[in-house]
Amino acid sequence: EAGVAQSPRYKIIEKRQSVAFWCNPISGHATLYWYQQILGQGPKLLIQFQNNGVVDDSQLPKDRFSAERLKGVDSTLKIQPAKLEDSAVYLCASNPWGAWENTEAFFGQGTRLTVV
Amino acid sequence: QQQVKQSPQSLIVQKGGISIINCAYENTAFDYFPWYQQFPGKGPALLIAIRPDVSEKKEGRFTISFNKSAKQFSLHIMDSQPGDSATYFCAASKRARGGANNLFFGTGTRLTVIP
Repeated sequence: EAGVAQSPRYKIIEKRQSVAFWCNPISGHATLYWYQQILGQGPKLLIQFQNNGVVDDSQLPKDRFSAERLKGVDSTLKIQPAKLEDSAVYLCASNPWGAWENTEAFFGQGTRLTVV
Repeated sequence: QQQVKQSPQSLIVQKGGISIINCAYENTAFDYFPWYQQFPGKGPALLIAIRPDVSEKKEGRFTISFNKSAKQFSLHIMDSQPGDSATYFCAASKRARGGANNLFFGTGTRLTVIP
């Protein structure tokens, strides 16, 4: 079974530029999550999709971050404009049911963003 | 506000020794407590998980001990091996409105097992 695919693996941009990350979840997984992992910290949820609808985006900085999940499959996360404090690894995860305790959620390798 | 507090930040253990990582939480609505293992350059992977209705769960060399009254849980790695060297995250989850369920992670423990 193929895992969660993310691209790019690394990205370096200047502050105030824009950047986009892409995620392809495991086939058939209805739930998709984007997490932000700052160096030395645990992952923090940014947004959760169930199919192509947003379930929870309460921690997404909506003034600069946006995300979409077209046709309930792939997803993109965008930052515009980027700030220095956005430097982090952005992780995508998926699972079939949307409940952590019912089944395992699988994480991608992440995209490491450096804002200079 | 850190929903799940984890310690220690780093841990060095001799091969064959026992590694112990501790976590504490405040929110009694949490009803699922997983541990994740993360190797450099990889995403976190589920290691073992427990519900609050049991006090201990063991899978191979990995054991979760859960103390509901103290709101604490810990990961024990028996017979630690160099291949266990990784960062370990505890986490806690609760049902939220609309079917959403956020997984709150601890700050992580970097484990190094010395051969």
